Amino acid sequence: GQQVMQIPQYQHVQEGEDFTTYCNSSTTLSNIQWYKQRPGGHPVFLIQLVKSGEVKKQKRLTFQFGEAKKNSSLHITATQTTDVGTYFCAGEVAGANSKLTFGKGITLSVRP
Amino acid sequence: NAGVMQNPRHLVRRRGQEARLRCSPMKGHSHVYWYRQLPEEGLKFMVYLQKENIIDESGMPKERFSAEFPKEGPSILRIQQVVRGDSAAYFCASSPTTSDTQYFGPGTRLTVL
Repeated sequence: GQQVMQIPQYQHVQEGEDFTTYCNSSTTLSNIQWYKQRPGGHPVFLIQLVKSGEVKKQKRLTFQFGEAKKNSSLHITATQTTDVGTYFCAGEVAGANSKLTFGKGITLSVRP
Repeated sequence: NAGVMQNPRHLVRRRGQEARLRCSPMKGHSHVYWYRQLPEEGLKFMVYLQKENIIDESGMPKERFSAEFPKEGPSILRIQQVVRGDSAAYFCASSPTTSDTQYFGPGTRLTVL
């Protein structure tokens, strides 16, 4: 079955450092979505990427969809303590009845 | 416009009991999805429902688990004869159409003693 992989599962950075994480799918995706979950909270939608090579920015966050639509990246510039949480990518395969396959997520901790 | 609502937020059951988890989607959303999250794991898709219909239940265990989304009222995820391994956070999400953003509820954290 389809797999969405996020490695590593944990990353620790110093406040102010940049952070990049990647998401890889075993199959071509129709779109990819990113969610953020704070400790004890629920996933909150951040962004959806649809087009090959698409790049979207939200303040200090930059999201990119790979040319082959099988991978994606999230880059955070100058991390802040408010960036702490688990970032999940979720891929949707065309014709899959809108079923999202989530990666295991990467938990980011930021040292002040 | 209220977000996705789930209740109860926390549920404790003894082995062998039944657990009923409720989800009220956002107003205007007719698509509901249920996910299970184990500690330090990602979200595992369980079932996708549209009003009165199960569209995709490929992630549901074959036994003890069932889901419904009646014409009136919330979507219900029902777990019969719970076992310790069912302890997890269960999230519901809703969307207005297929292939739209999914909005998650706060989750129900089920603990089986």
